[in-house]
Amino acid sequence: NAGVTQTPKFRVLKTGQSMTLLCAQDMNHEYMYWYRQDPGMGLRLIHYSVGEGTTAKGEVPDGYNVSRLKKQNFLLGLESAAPSQTSVYFCASSIPGQVLNQPQHFGDGTRLSIL
Amino acid sequence: GIQVEQSPPDLILQEGANSTLRCNFSDSVNNLQWFHQNPWGQLINLFYIPSGTKQNGRLSATTVATERYSLLYISSSQTTDSGVYFCAGSWGSRLTFGEGTQLTVNP
Repeated sequence: NAGVTQTPKFRVLKTGQSMTLLCAQDMNHEYMYWYRQDPGMGLRLIHYSVGEGTTAKGEVPDGYNVSRLKKQNFLLGLESAAPSQTSVYFCASSIPGQVLNQPQHFGDGTRLSIL
Repeated sequence: GIQVEQSPPDLILQEGANSTLRCNFSDSVNNLQWFHQNPWGQLINLFYIPSGTKQNGRLSATTVATERYSLLYISSSQTTDSGVYFCAGSWGSRLTFGEGTQLTVNP
């Protein structure tokens, strides 16, 4: 079992460019999440999904869009990258239950730099 | 907003020592989790512990929900325990992380 897989692992973008981060999980989890982690800080929730075809905003959703077309995949898009979006992005998944009330399993992260 | 505070922010130990990490939260939690982020950046879920006590090998955790704190105990520390320890609590639809405790275990 691969668990939660994030691609790419590293990426450098120029300001204004767009890109999509992919998260895939093979645990048949209903819930999936995207977080960002800035230096010296904990993780902050960007968006999450409680099932295929559904998404919801988290704590810091501005500048990001997400899609959950398939149960196993959760995509995070940056339409026009800004230097403030330089961060490490983590994807996570969990089994069903009250939102965020189940243990979460994390991917290894994507390190994104915006120049 | 909801606050999650961790202490101490930094901790340096000699191998074999014991330690206690603390997490205070400003409101009642539905869910309290402890994570370890290793030096390579990987996040490992250690405990899901909204209340009570759990143990896993040299690690154990206790959450006293009525007093709004959780403790993570590390016994007989090893160099591989180094990294950042985060606690995170959920209120409704949001999971809020503390800023972490940076643990360094020296041989």
